[in-house]
Amino acid sequence: DTAVSQTPKYLVTQMGNDKSIKCEQNLGHDTMYWYKQDSKKFLKIMFSYNNKELIINETVPNRFSPKSPDKAHLNLHINSLELGDSAVYFCASSQAAGGAYEQYFGPGTRLTVT
Amino acid sequence: AQTVTQSQPEMSVQEAETVTLSCTYDTSESDYYLFWYKQPPSRQMILVIRQEAYKQQNATENRFSVNFQKAAKSFSLKISDSQLGDAAMYFCARGSNYKLTFGKGTLLTVNP
Repeated sequence: DTAVSQTPKYLVTQMGNDKSIKCEQNLGHDTMYWYKQDSKKFLKIMFSYNNKELIINETVPNRFSPKSPDKAHLNLHINSLELGDSAVYFCASSQAAGGAYEQYFGPGTRLTVT
Repeated sequence: AQTVTQSQPEMSVQEAETVTLSCTYDTSESDYYLFWYKQPPSRQMILVIRQEAYKQQNATENRFSVNFQKAAKSFSLKISDSQLGDAAMYFCARGSNYKLTFGKGTLLTVNP
């Protein structure tokens, strides 16, 4: 019983394509996140959602559009993929939005744009 | 921007020895939370230990402990009796509403 799952785990695509990454958590958490880990392993927040509402959009290009159909799911759609989008994308969830709460991470999706 | 700094890009330790990973942070908040996460080659992010800033006592989890110096804004991780399975990237992070802010990580190698 995986707590936070992501599909797919690997994604290889060409520049200009549109792709989606799905995330689901079965922990009953209220808050979900997307993080990007670049080639130097640096992790940075992209989006935070609380009870299906967008709370943080950390200067992410408009080509990235998160969608939360319900509290258990937070999907990431990327339009017009660019070479610089190649990275590992992590979904995470926490019980609530405060900084005290542990975030549980999914296994990551390695996106390669050629 | 409030930052988290890990000054050691790489560290190595002999199996069964002790190693300390450094972390400093910047914050204007009086109440906050600090975390160490481990990322092994599998790339799964795993919580190692958590510290509440309002607590004087340093957090401990089995072989892992922290040295939290609030005035100095320092939060180092000590791994005792290092094991081969401890080899991983270690990230220090500060928790605030709606996000974690991570340091750039320290790659720990454990030598047999």
